[in-house]
Amino acid sequence: NAGVTQTPKFQVLKTGQSMTLQCAQDMNHNSMYWYRQDPGMGLRLIYYSASEGTTDKGEVPNGYNVSRLNKREFSLRLESAAPSQTSVYFCASSQTGGYQPQHFGDGTRLSIL
Amino acid sequence: AQSVTQLDSQVPVFEEAPVELRCNYSSSVSVYLFWYVQYPNQGLQLLLKYLSGSTLVESINGFEAEFNKSQTSFHLRKPSVHISDTAEYFCAVTLWDSNYQLIWGAGTKLIIKP
Repeated sequence: NAGVTQTPKFQVLKTGQSMTLQCAQDMNHNSMYWYRQDPGMGLRLIYYSASEGTTDKGEVPNGYNVSRLNKREFSLRLESAAPSQTSVYFCASSQTGGYQPQHFGDGTRLSIL
Repeated sequence: AQSVTQLDSQVPVFEEAPVELRCNYSSSVSVYLFWYVQYPNQGLQLLLKYLSGSTLVESINGFEAEFNKSQTSFHLRKPSVHISDTAEYFCAVTLWDSNYQLIWGAGTKLIIKP
């Protein structure tokens, strides 16, 4: 059982380039999330999708877009990468409800030069 | 606004010594409480959670946390740490009436000294 799978694991981009981070879960979860993790700042929510067909902004959505392709897949796109977007990006999923734990992928380490 | 404070960014401790990682939250409504662990170069994993009932909750690897409503705290403890406990620990809170809004602390790095 793979859980939450993120691709790629590492990526280096130049300023202004675009890319899409992929995330897929096989746990039949309704909700999916994208976070970024920076040293000393914990996790900050970028976007989330409470269910298939819906997406909403989190705490730090500027510079990002998302697509909930189907129930399994939730992608994050950087249209024009900036050095401030250098971070580790995590995708997570959960069943509906605030009491449900979130399940995380192993992260994508992204560097913007 | 709700917030979660982890008072220590790093906690060094000798192997086999006890440890406490502190977590306080601010919320005027009822909450669910979580501790997650992140081992080096991995994603986060749920360590334990408090939803309701007994205020003392335990994990399978010897950690425990106690919900203290009057002090709005959810401190994580282990009586004897092992080198394999080296990781970063995150406290998180979500509101009873929320489907998604998990509020995260900044994390505490547990450093085990041999």
